[in-house]
Amino acid sequence: DGGITQSPKYLFRKEGQNVTLSCEQNLNHDAMYWYRQDPGQGLRLIYYSQIVNDFQKGDIAEGYSVSREKKESFPLTVTSAQKNPTAFYLCASSIDRNTGELFFGEGSRLTVL
Amino acid sequence: SQQGEEDPQALSIQEGENATMNCSYKTSINNLQWYRQNSGRGLVHLILIRSNEREKHSGRLRVTLDTSKKSSSLLITASRAADTASYFCATAPNGGANSKLTFGKGITLSVRP
Repeated sequence: DGGITQSPKYLFRKEGQNVTLSCEQNLNHDAMYWYRQDPGQGLRLIYYSQIVNDFQKGDIAEGYSVSREKKESFPLTVTSAQKNPTAFYLCASSIDRNTGELFFGEGSRLTVL
Repeated sequence: SQQGEEDPQALSIQEGENATMNCSYKTSINNLQWYRQNSGRGLVHLILIRSNEREKHSGRLRVTLDTSKKSSSLLITASRAADTASYFCATAPNGGANSKLTFGKGITLSVRP
């Protein structure tokens, strides 16, 4: 089945540690996105990539980093510089940068202890 | 400020009833999308309506768009308990890429069996 796979589903981190969230898609989509969702809030864009080897900061990129070495993969690293990292993280993709309809993964819930 | 804002914030109805959810926005859009999110899961795209369209249907879903009032409504007819979820509207600005998609805070729909 085609889709987006995020892992891990749940992740616990101690303060000061970096963690990497995985996002893999087999939809052959060019564009990929990372969003953060906090309780009762809309989605906020962290980073996006429109093509391999290129990515751009979104609205809340501070404390996060990404890479796009392969079309299928767009991992997100939550660094120790992110002051409030506990949140639900959602990865998404679209056919290209302009076409509507985002396809989402099932999310990764990060909790900082 | 939030581009898309949903109303009401929460809605509770009996199975079989219709559910109407509204979304208002502030600036001109290219399209408006509705997504659904089950608790703890990723978002699922429901329907996209373009700025030159007034109404679209998909199964039990009916979406309207009034660009003069900058508002949209999502109607779910003959609701089922399985429709219980959060519903988000997302607006894409004129000339903007998917990276400019703005999500509202969502409406929590509870359908009582």
